[in-house]
Amino acid sequence: GQQLNQSPQSMFIQEGEDVSMNCTSSSIFNTWLWYKQDPGEGPVLLIALYKAGELTSNGRLTAQFGITRKDSFLNISASIPSDVGIYFCAGRGGGFKTIFGAGTRLFVKA
Amino acid sequence: KAGVTQTPRYLIKTRGQQVTLSCSPISGHRSVSWYQQTPGQGLQFLFEYFSETQRNKGNFPGRFSGRQFSNSRSEMNVSTLELGDSALYLCASSLGPSGSYEQYFGPGTRLTVT
Repeated sequence: GQQLNQSPQSMFIQEGEDVSMNCTSSSIFNTWLWYKQDPGEGPVLLIALYKAGELTSNGRLTAQFGITRKDSFLNISASIPSDVGIYFCAGRGGGFKTIFGAGTRLFVKA
Repeated sequence: KAGVTQTPRYLIKTRGQQVTLSCSPISGHRSVSWYQQTPGQGLQFLFEYFSETQRNKGNFPGRFSGRQFSNSRSEMNVSTLELGDSALYLCASSLGPSGSYEQYFGPGTRLTVT
C-alpha cells in the first residue's frame, strides 16, 4: 500500500537555527499536509498544499509541494523553544484515505 | 467554532475489560477517523466513518470497533483489552471523506491498560 518516508526521525538543534524536514512517497499525492503535535495533545494542522510546486508560508514555517508530487518539505526558520514537538507530514490522493508519515521529533536547546 | 472534543481524556482499565471512547466532531463535519498512537510509532489508522457508514478500516483486530451516530458523533470500542492496547487514541474530523478534506484532530484519549 501507500507509504510515506519522513526524515529525519529526530533532530536536536540550537535555538535560532533553521530546520528542514521532508517526506517522500512512492505514490503521487494531490495534497500534502503538515501537522505539529505537542506532548500530550492531538496534531494541529500547520500548512496545507494543493498544487505541485506550491510554496506556502505560515509565520516562520514554509512548506513546498514537490514538482513530482511525490515529496514535500517543511522548513522552520529561527527556531524557538516552543517549536519542540513532533511534526507529521500527510499525503492525500485519489480520494482515498490520508496517509501519515512516522513523524520528525524536534528538540530545541535554548 | 468549537474544535474536536474527545472524552474521557484519560482512562485506566484492566486487561480483559472493554472500553468505549467518544468523539464529537467540529460542527458541520460529517467524517470521523480514529487513530492509535503509541510511543515511537506514527499514527496508525483504525477506521473512518462518514454519514454513519464505515468507509475505511485499518489493520486492527476485530476487538476494535466503532460507530457513528446521526449527529456525526462517533464512538470507538475496544473489547478484551490487552496491555498492548495502551496508547493515545486520536479522533479527527473532516467536512467530508478524509481522502478529500483536511482532518482536524482532537486532544486524544490516553488509555492505560494494566
